[in-house]
Amino acid sequence: DTAVSQTPKYLVTQMGNDKSIKCEQNLGHDTMYWYKQDSKKFLKIMFSYNNKELIINETVPNRFSPKSPDKAHLNLHINSLELGDSAVYFCASSLGQLNTEAFFGQGTRLTVV
Amino acid sequence: GDSVTQMEGPVTLSEEAFLTINCTYTATGYPSLFWYVQYPGEGLQLLLKATKADDKGSNKGFEATYRKETTSFHLEKGSVQVSDSAVYFCALSDNSGGYQKVTFGTGTKLQVIP
Repeated sequence: DTAVSQTPKYLVTQMGNDKSIKCEQNLGHDTMYWYKQDSKKFLKIMFSYNNKELIINETVPNRFSPKSPDKAHLNLHINSLELGDSAVYFCASSLGQLNTEAFFGQGTRLTVV
Repeated sequence: GDSVTQMEGPVTLSEEAFLTINCTYTATGYPSLFWYVQYPGEGLQLLLKATKADDKGSNKGFEATYRKETTSFHLEKGSVQVSDSAVYFCALSDNSGGYQKVTFGTGTKLQVIP
């Protein structure tokens, strides 16, 4: 019973391609996130959704487009992939309240060649 | 805006040594504070948390105390094990903008050698 699951776990693709990463949570949480972790392990928030509405959109190229079809899903679509997009992308969810922790997926390692 | 500063790693310790990983923060509101741990090839998982000043979070022998006067939340463990080798992230949760936002530090890699 995985709480936050992402697919695929690994993604290798060529520059210029379009790809999607899917995320689902079965915790009943209202808030979902996408984070990007670079090779130095630095973790940066990209997007946050609350009840299917976008509430945080950090400085992210508009080639990245999140989509939340319902509260339990938050997918990330990336257009025209670039070498610099290579990273590990983590989906997370939380109750969205101040003192509640985020639950993370296992990550998707994206390699752009 | 909010920020979290952690000591740079990697930190290499012998088994049974004492561990301290420093973390300080700046926040506009009254945040909750967290430590997360990331084992190789895995996602982050919560290690401990503290939701108000002077609270102490503890789990698996790790402890951290929310110090508002020094804006710090240092992680400590009295005797580390090889299995504690991982990357540790300090984080704060703030909702001063009307929604929860979690900000992470840069992570500190801990390596424990037998």
